[in-house]
Amino acid sequence: GNSVTQMEGPVTLSEEAFLTINCTYTATGYPSLFWYVQYPGEGLQLLLKATKADDKGSNKGFEATYRKETTSFHLEKGSVQVSDSAVYFCALSGVRGGSNYKLTFGKGTLLTVNP
Amino acid sequence: ETGVTQTPRHLVMGMTNKKSLKCEQHLGHNAMYWYKQSAKKPLELMFVYSLEERVENNSVPSRFSPECPNSSHLFLHLHTLQPEDSALYLCASSQDFRPSGRHNEQFFGPGTRLTVL
Repeated sequence: GNSVTQMEGPVTLSEEAFLTINCTYTATGYPSLFWYVQYPGEGLQLLLKATKADDKGSNKGFEATYRKETTSFHLEKGSVQVSDSAVYFCALSGVRGGSNYKLTFGKGTLLTVNP
Repeated sequence: ETGVTQTPRHLVMGMTNKKSLKCEQHLGHNAMYWYKQSAKKPLELMFVYSLEERVENNSVPSRFSPECPNSSHLFLHLHTLQPEDSALYLCASSQDFRPSGRHNEQFFGPGTRLTVL
């Protein structure tokens, strides 16, 4: 079945540091890949997505590239801010030709950015 | 109101109480979902409704009873819950459950933080 593995946190960084959160997946076919973010006390918000190999999703300074050869979708940001402190979830869905359109989530990575 | 809203945001109930969680989406979507988010566990999909019909029920105990009266509203009725049911319950919606496109982008509400005493 489908699965998503992301690096376990917590991750603690100083403001303006470089961020990488690793995500790898297992799926048949060609899934779409997502990063969701959950700020304290809130639900999940879609941060970015990529629907085919070599696509780069980007939003709010965050980027992730769909790498089919390494089955990865690592999240990066060049300079984090205190306001980026949140839990980040990697997810996949929509395997072409399959019947599984459900979102499969990783366990989430807690990021804390200190001033 | 825009997006997906959930009420109440916080709920404390005893094990013998009956309560309901409400979700409303203002996006014109056809599919709605209930998820359970417990500490240190992946999100658990509980129920899926597509065009007001339940299409997925992931072995959820019968003390959780969903209801979808129309495509904009989703309820989760709770009765005789256990302390281990304490969690954040998230509602989400998407355009379709089995879209003709390749992906199933879901939009989430803020959640209801449930505590069972």
